[in-house]
Amino acid sequence: DAKTTQPTSMDCAEGRAANLPCNHSTISGNEYVYWYRQIHSQGPQYIIHGLKNNETNEMASLIITEDRKSSTLILPHATLRDTAVYYCIVSSPYDADSSNTGKLIFGQGTTLQVKP
Amino acid sequence: ETGVTQSPTHLIKTRGQQVTLRCSSQSGHNTVSWYQQALGQGPQFIFQYYREEENGRGNFPPRFSGLQFPNYSSELNVNALELDDSALYLCASSFGLAGVPGYEQFFGPGTRLTVL
Repeated sequence: DAKTTQPTSMDCAEGRAANLPCNHSTISGNEYVYWYRQIHSQGPQYIIHGLKNNETNEMASLIITEDRKSSTLILPHATLRDTAVYYCIVSSPYDADSSNTGKLIFGQGTTLQVKP
Repeated sequence: ETGVTQSPTHLIKTRGQQVTLRCSSQSGHNTVSWYQQALGQGPQFIFQYYREEENGRGNFPPRFSGLQFPNYSSELNVNALELDDSALYLCASSFGLAGVPGYEQFFGPGTRLTVL
């Protein structure tokens, strides 16, 4: 089962920041937070990941709370092309001793609708 | 640089038949993962192949099997098809085991399988 909880859907006005929340209260110390998105009829696309510190790349920013129990993905200036399902995933790296394969477990995600 | 490609795009089979889906990894990637995505759901991890060996499996029966070839391309085989196998099948490649930071997964567009 997915270890994250996300709102089912959100709306955002074009040009405004989209803030997508994610709860991962059972996250353990070596688990990373990943965000992927899936635009209609396409495969998921990697956005960003983080462990403890806030991260930023050309697509988005990831804010992780100090206790690491929740995070927020920020799209600073949403466009119509950002309309998609956004998945927050918690995953630990491959560990041969624990047989953890580092697989990604997707939940239902948040459907973000960017409106003109 | 060529991205992840999958074939065929669409496929219709009848219950009880067998199907083979194919995936070509992104150049330089040695790991491939397969996911099943039912309509309206997030992708579900089937299994992962690393350097031609299965390395991790999700909650799928043995009639789901796979292969990874020396050139790191991959096949997903499903025997004795059931109606519930109707889904989008996604292949993702990465330069290393999934879940390892820096080894983000790159997804193909998927194969839409319909079982009648």
